[in-house]
Amino acid sequence: NAGVTQTPKFQVLKTGQSMTLQCAQDMNHNSMYWYRQDPGMGLRLIYYSASEGTTDKGEVPNGYNVSRLNKREFSLRLESAAPSQTSVYFCASSARTSGRTDTQYFGPGTRLTVL
Amino acid sequence: GESVGLHLPTLSVQEGDNSIINCAYSNSASDYFIWYKQESGKGPQFIIDIRSNMDKRQGQRVTVLLNKTVKHLSLQIAATQPGDSAVYFCAENIGGSWGKLQFGAGTQVVVTP
Repeated sequence: NAGVTQTPKFQVLKTGQSMTLQCAQDMNHNSMYWYRQDPGMGLRLIYYSASEGTTDKGEVPNGYNVSRLNKREFSLRLESAAPSQTSVYFCASSARTSGRTDTQYFGPGTRLTVL
Repeated sequence: GESVGLHLPTLSVQEGDNSIINCAYSNSASDYFIWYKQESGKGPQFIIDIRSNMDKRQGQRVTVLLNKTVKHLSLQIAATQPGDSAVYFCAENIGGSWGKLQFGAGTQVVVTP
């Protein structure tokens, strides 16, 4: 049981390049989330998927797109990377079987630098 | 807007002492709170949670206290160890039933020998 896994661990892009961050969970969780973490700041929600087949914007969605590929996988895409998107990106998942808020479990993160 | 915040950005604790990390929240409708620990270079790790119908919950060496009257949350770590050195975040549910969490900026806990 690996929990939440993310690839790649590190990435350097040039301004304007595109890339997709991959996330998978093996806990059979319904909900998945993408956050970014900047120095001295808390985690900010980019997008979330409450259940398979649905996605919604979070606090800072501009410049990103997401795909809930299946129940296990939730990817984050940067179509045209900008230096402001330099950050650490975390994927998380939660069970939400009862419809109540519950614990989110996080992956190890992807450290992205945009030059 | 309403937000979660932490009183102390850095907390220095001697090994073996108890640690208390504080968190203020301003959304009176929040019904669920979580404490996370984040070690350098790693993702946040769940420590303990508490729902608004409780005022105290204990785990292994950790206790979370919730004071809804003053909208205050605290995490107590008993007999702090070097492995407890990390950034600690509190988070509150601000989005109703679907699970939207708002995180504070974090408190750095440094355990000294």
